[in-house]
Amino acid sequence: DGGITQSPKYLFRKEGQNVTLSCEQNLNHDAMYWYRQDPGQGLRLIYYSQIVNDFQKGDIAEGYSVSREKKESFPLTVTSAQKNPTAFYLCASQGPKNEKLFFGSGTQLSVL
Amino acid sequence: RKEVEQDPGPFNVPEGATVAFNCTYSNSASQSFFWYRQDCRKEPKLLMSVYSSGNEDGRFTAQLNRASQYISLLIRDSKLSDSATYLCVVNIPGRRALTFGSGTRLQVQP
Repeated sequence: DGGITQSPKYLFRKEGQNVTLSCEQNLNHDAMYWYRQDPGQGLRLIYYSQIVNDFQKGDIAEGYSVSREKKESFPLTVTSAQKNPTAFYLCASQGPKNEKLFFGSGTQLSVL
Repeated sequence: RKEVEQDPGPFNVPEGATVAFNCTYSNSASQSFFWYRQDCRKEPKLLMSVYSSGNEDGRFTAQLNRASQYISLLIRDSKLSDSATYLCVVNIPGRRALTFGSGTRLQVQP
């Protein structure tokens, strides 16, 4: 079945540590997105990529980095510069007609 | 004014009730509108797209009012399983990514 897979489901970060969240899709979608969701809030865009080897900052990119070396993969690194990383992170992809988003099941990141 | 605004709720309704949510958007040139449903700590799932003429899917009806710049979601005969957060999603021209509202929480009670 085609879909989008995020891992891990839960992740803990120590202070000063960089952590990487995985996002893989087999939907052959060009566009991929990373969102952050805080309790009781909507989704805020961190980074997005419209094509391999290209990505753009979203509304809250500070303290995060991404890469898009393969069409299927769009990993997100939460760096030590992100001082408040505890949140629910969602990865999504979108087909060529810019219609609905397909979401992964999310990663809950917490700080130890 | 927020680009996409929703009443956070919660809306507490009894089973069988009819409930409606509105979502206002600020950019009159927006063309694509969606309602997503999100359960606690789960990914959002598309409930329905919103078309200009309005559309219905079973107990759910979505409508678009361009003049007043809002979309609505009507749920008839509420079920316990309808309890969730409903996210309004709008395209903002000039932005590649869709923009999400902060969601309206619905709690259907027995």
